[in-house]
Amino acid sequence: DVKVTQSSRYLVKRTGEKVFLECVQDMDHENMFWYRQDPGLGLRLIYFSYDVKMKEKGDIPEGYSVSREKKERFSLILESASTNQTSMYLCASTITGRSYNEQFFGPGTRLTVL
Amino acid sequence: AQKITQTQPGMFVQEKEAVTLDCTYDTSDQSYGLFWYKQPSSGEMIFLIYQGSYDEQNATEGRYSLNFQKARKSANLVISASQLGDSAMYFCAMRVGFMEYGNKLVFGAGTILRVKS
Repeated sequence: DVKVTQSSRYLVKRTGEKVFLECVQDMDHENMFWYRQDPGLGLRLIYFSYDVKMKEKGDIPEGYSVSREKKERFSLILESASTNQTSMYLCASTITGRSYNEQFFGPGTRLTVL
Repeated sequence: AQKITQTQPGMFVQEKEAVTLDCTYDTSDQSYGLFWYKQPSSGEMIFLIYQGSYDEQNATEGRYSLNFQKARKSANLVISASQLGDSAMYFCAMRVGFMEYGNKLVFGAGTILRVKS
């Protein structure tokens, strides 16, 4: 059974803290993505990675950074958490090359910044 | 700019009836793809169906079908014989970018569907 896992389902942090969200996939996918989901806005792409150590900015990268040291792991980092980063964060992965390949999603991390 | 619009924030449907969830898209690309995902209250995203821009026939997957009208730039999801388990948030998404990068997606705001018994 293919899987994308995220390190926490729920996380509460304080303003100014450094926050790490971890995502691991066991499908040997080249491509991994981080989204945030907010009511009325759907999912918005923060960053994606198409290979180890490679990353590309998505639509809303400000305030975030990422790390991909191993193919199966993609980390999202909030350098200094702010209350407007309170959101649901979803990680996804997919293989390269075919137009119809869906993205496989993790269960999400609901982050609250106080 | 590439954009997905879902104009129905919420929908109700009676159990066993069919329901259509609307999705319109905006792109200048000739090659694109459209996806529908389901998100139950538990939060996981479940892939339902895919339609490519060059596909001549509407996609179908079990009780799900995609009513693809290219000239109108619409890709509506039709769920037949609704079940209580269909109650969820539904997202329409469009593939953008190069396929080498693994299908970057743009999502709509979503439609919450509630199935009544």
